[in-house]
Amino acid sequence: GAGVSQSPSNKVTEKGKDVELRCDPISGHTALYWYRQSLGQGLEFLIYFQGNSAPDKSGLPSDRFSAERTGGSVSTLTIQRTQQEDSAVYLCASSLVSPYEQYFGPGTRLTVT
Amino acid sequence: AQSVTQLDSQVPVFEEAPVELRCNYSSSVSVYLFWYVQYPNQGLQLLLKYLSGSTLVKGINGFEAEFNKSQTSFHLRKPSVHISDTAEYFCALHLTGGGNKLTFGTGTQLKVEL
Repeated sequence: GAGVSQSPSNKVTEKGKDVELRCDPISGHTALYWYRQSLGQGLEFLIYFQGNSAPDKSGLPSDRFSAERTGGSVSTLTIQRTQQEDSAVYLCASSLVSPYEQYFGPGTRLTVT
Repeated sequence: AQSVTQLDSQVPVFEEAPVELRCNYSSSVSVYLFWYVQYPNQGLQLLLKYLSGSTLVKGINGFEAEFNKSQTSFHLRKPSVHISDTAEYFCALHLTGGGNKLTFGTGTQLKVEL
């Protein structure tokens, strides 16, 4: 079946611009996660959704970062006023009710110039 | 707070040789443990997991790992590697009592050479 998909695969933006990253989880997966992978910080948790609510936003690095999920499916991660340190690969994962087997998408590589 | 340590950032090995990728963790509560593999320009793929039961777990592509609670380790092994195993490998943990995130190690780049 179809896996987790993310778009765009690559995004280059100028410092100060806003960007939106999209994640389509596996159909039927109620849990959705965003992670960030960067050279300096490794893989970091950003936010977790159960259904449309986000009970854990503890990993969002600043108030420039926000995320939403609609219809218990697609999620969008928005970064406002991008900075160079936001350059990273943003990974989305989904799982069934159990959080223990997370399936990852291919990621969006964000480059802020 | 919990953490995962992968001491080896790179491991070179010849094809058909055995390999061990080391993972140690720290947590004040019980954990579940995972190994993921990441091929170039791809997302993470689950290799294997330890939730409970037998401490030796087998995964895909001939990999296995052994959970050692006393040494807080979860080393990944393969008896004979192939060129196609060249990738980055991440060890991760999840708290058994809840929480919603995986905590990852910094990764080990396995490079298989002819």
